[in-house]
Amino acid sequence: DIRVTQSPSTLSASVGDRVTITCRASQSIGNWLAWYQQKAGKAPSLLIYKASTLETGVPSRFSGSGSGTDFTLTINRLQPDDFATYYCHQYHSYPYTFGQGTKLEIK
Amino acid sequence: EVQLLQSGGGLVQPGGSLRLSCAASGFTFRSSDMSWVRQAPGKGLEWVSDITFRGGSTYYADSVKGRFTVSRDSSKNILFLQMNSLRAEDTAVYYCAKDLSGGGRDWGQGTLVTVSS
Repeated sequence: DIRVTQSPSTLSASVGDRVTITCRASQSIGNWLAWYQQKAGKAPSLLIYKASTLETGVPSRFSGSGSGTDFTLTINRLQPDDFATYYCHQYHSYPYTFGQGTKLEIK
Repeated sequence: EVQLLQSGGGLVQPGGSLRLSCAASGFTFRSSDMSWVRQAPGKGLEWVSDITFRGGSTYYADSVKGRFTVSRDSSKNILFLQMNSLRAEDTAVYYCAKDLSGGGRDWGQGTLVTVSS
């Protein structure tokens, strides 16, 4: 099974900051990785798929990069609405796996 | 507009059974892979199961294999998750999702399953 290790688990930042979240897969997954944002009590919302493709309607301050085993989600110019929990998800092969999540908190 | 409307959650005793439903509309259900993902209280997301549109192949997380069964009724556009031999650790909000392998942009609202005596 492919393990996905996401870091950090918690991230404190201020409005206007730039932050980066990383995911590392235990074996190569090509670019079969997605990033989700989740707010309390809500279903996850897709931000990025195929590692770097921005989902329609998602602000351009979100970007994804990487391939193989190492991936990053970058959020530029943090806005108040961005403080949430973020997950990466590999869909290269079954069983699919999610990262442990990163809670982005206001500093 | 894609809609995934879930039902069937609730409180069940350990060892009991429950069936979740996910009614789909706004897209060609019979042509879409469908998934179940769960989230235990205060925890992260866990993929549970997939059913493909082509041939209806099914896949399961090791944690539910042999106890859960995913199925679909393409005549009624409904996805099901039959959950048997439920354990306390199955307590979670369960989400259905469309086409996780294509970028899971459409999710149900979630339904809470609580396994407790």
